[in-house]
Amino acid sequence: GENVEQHPSTLSVQEGDSAVIKCTYSDSASNYFPWYKQELGKRPQLIIDIRSNVGEKKDQRIAVTLNKTAKHFSLHITETQPEDSAVYFCAGGRDYKLSFGAGTTVTVRA
Amino acid sequence: ETGVTQTPRHLVMGMTNKKSLKCEQHLGHNAMYWYKQSAKKPLELMFVYSLEERVENNSVPSRFSPECPNSSHLFLHLHTLQPEDSALYLCASSQDRGERASGQETQYFGPGTRLLVL
Repeated sequence: GENVEQHPSTLSVQEGDSAVIKCTYSDSASNYFPWYKQELGKRPQLIIDIRSNVGEKKDQRIAVTLNKTAKHFSLHITETQPEDSAVYFCAGGRDYKLSFGAGTTVTVRA
Repeated sequence: ETGVTQTPRHLVMGMTNKKSLKCEQHLGHNAMYWYKQSAKKPLELMFVYSLEERVENNSVPSRFSPECPNSSHLFLHLHTLQPEDSALYLCASSQDRGERASGQETQYFGPGTRLLVL
């Protein structure tokens, strides 16, 4: 089955700086890669996703890149704000099945 | 709340108890999922139902028993659990567009049930 690894496990950034989280996957057949944000005590919420026929996608301060050859994808958050502090999960899969990374705890320092 | 709801939000049970978790989705989706979220570990997929039929069971112990009576409701029946089963149990739903679909659809999560087994 699919195995998704996520790095780093924790990330502390100064407000206004950029944050980058990287994930790798093992199954070359995976074609869907969502990113979820989970604030303390709340449900995971989708923030952006990318499909295997696209190399990059951007939504305001958030962007995701996908390298199918290397089987890795990354989340980029620019101009970080205190409300960006949360746990971020990457996931990869196909059909109805997703495998999740272990999460990155992002702390934005004011 | 709209979207995906779960009850109860918190549950404390002894190892000999029997309890059930409930999930309801108001999104018109036809696929529902149970995940287990433990601290510092990836979300673990437990069960998947598509069109009310179980299509995936990730070797989950038999003390967890799912039930999907219709496309809007999903239950997880619990009995004789162990302390290591304490975790956040998340329900999710999505629209399964079948084999002809080009890729998976987004999964939407409920708020979870925080379970503590004593």
